[in-house]
This record gives sequence, structure tokens and C-alpha cells, in this order.
Amino acid sequence: DAGITQSPRHKVTETGTPVTLRCHQTENHRYMYWYRQDPGHGLRLIHYSYGVKDTDKGEVSDGYSVSRSKTEDFLLTLESATSSQTSVYFCAISESWPPEAFFGQGTRLTVV
Amino acid sequence: AQRVTQPEKLLSVFKGAPVELKCNYSYSGSPELFWYVQYSRQRLQLLLRHISRESIKGFTADLNKGETSFHLKKPFAQEEDSAMYYCALPSEGGGNKLTFGTGTQLKVEL
Repeated sequence: DAGITQSPRHKVTETGTPVTLRCHQTENHRYMYWYRQDPGHGLRLIHYSYGVKDTDKGEVSDGYSVSRSKTEDFLLTLESATSSQTSVYFCAISESWPPEAFFGQGTRLTVV
Repeated sequence: AQRVTQPEKLLSVFKGAPVELKCNYSYSGSPELFWYVQYSRQRLQLLLRHISRESIKGFTADLNKGETSFHLKKPFAQEEDSAMYYCALPSEGGGNKLTFGTGTQLKVEL
């Protein structure tokens, strides 16, 4: 398996609090992604990065921000968590074209 | 814009029966397509990719450009095939991104 680690694996937080999820890779891949997985919606891209300090929005980016200060780390922040952000979050990495993505184990986030 | 459609949320088959998971797409140009599998509460794993034309775990998929389909097939289902399956293709507009379908849950019954 590609070296991708997500932390935390599980989190319960209250509405209105900020939350940061971390993705760490040891593969030195250029591209990193954050997806959320929801029943009936599949995986939807939140944000992605194409290099250090280079990020862009995905299809469901509202309420989320990201940062990538090092090749190996990609952080996802929920600025003020809402119940609609209860989901499973997956980080992924890729290097080449076509974008064969390798996924982390996922983070199950519950906003109460 | 690109689109991936997996029309079945749930597909239930008996062990030993053939399996076909449907995937239809819309894309400008010639797409590179993928199938990913997610076993219960595990990470998504690449099952197969169109360009390699491999057979993985007995699964195959053929790109049909005329029907814009990339259906996943296996002649004889096994209990361990029970999982969620996602079809995916690169997002148009750059960024080395993938667009996923909504997934099909395959349940293999004994």
C-alpha cells in the first residue's frame, strides 16, 4: 500500500467548532486530494493540491479550507463545523497521468 | 463536463452467478477509466484501469466507446467480492483529478 496516513481516524465535534484533519504521505507524490464520502453521492472532491502551497477548489469546497506547506502534508480545515459536514473524509495522492489515486484509510467525522 | 453514472445502488447476486456492475460516462475525448473497490470500512483500492487491460481478482472491464460504457464483469461471484465499487475517470479541465460515480454496493449471497 502507498504510504498515506490520515489523522485522526475518528472524531466527534460540536457544531461551530473548527476541525483540522491531517493527511501525511511518504511517497513524494505531487498531487494530493481531499474527498468526502456520503451515501448516494459517492466520493466528491473538496480541495486538491498540485504542489507545495498550490491548491484549488473541488466541487464541494464551501466551508472547507486546505493548506500544504510541505510535500508530505495536506491539511483540511472545517472552519466552523456543521452537521452537514458529518461524513467520511478520504485523502488521496497521485503522481502521474492518468491520475491513478491511492487512498488513505479515511477519517470518520461526526458533528453533533 | 465529465460525468460518471452508476445506475445501481445495490446489486445482489448468488455465489457462483455472473456479475456485471454498470458504468456509463460522458467525456470529451478519449477517457482513461478506473474501477475502485472498497471493502467494509477499508480504504478505496484500485481494482483495475482501462489502459492496462488486466484482469484483477477475476474482474474485467471493457471500454465501449459507442455505448460510452465501462462495465465491470466477473463470470462467477465469490463471497469475498461483496464490497462497494466505484467507477471513475479524470476530470476535464486539468488538475490531475478524478471524478467518481455514486458507487454500487455488491452483495454476494450464499
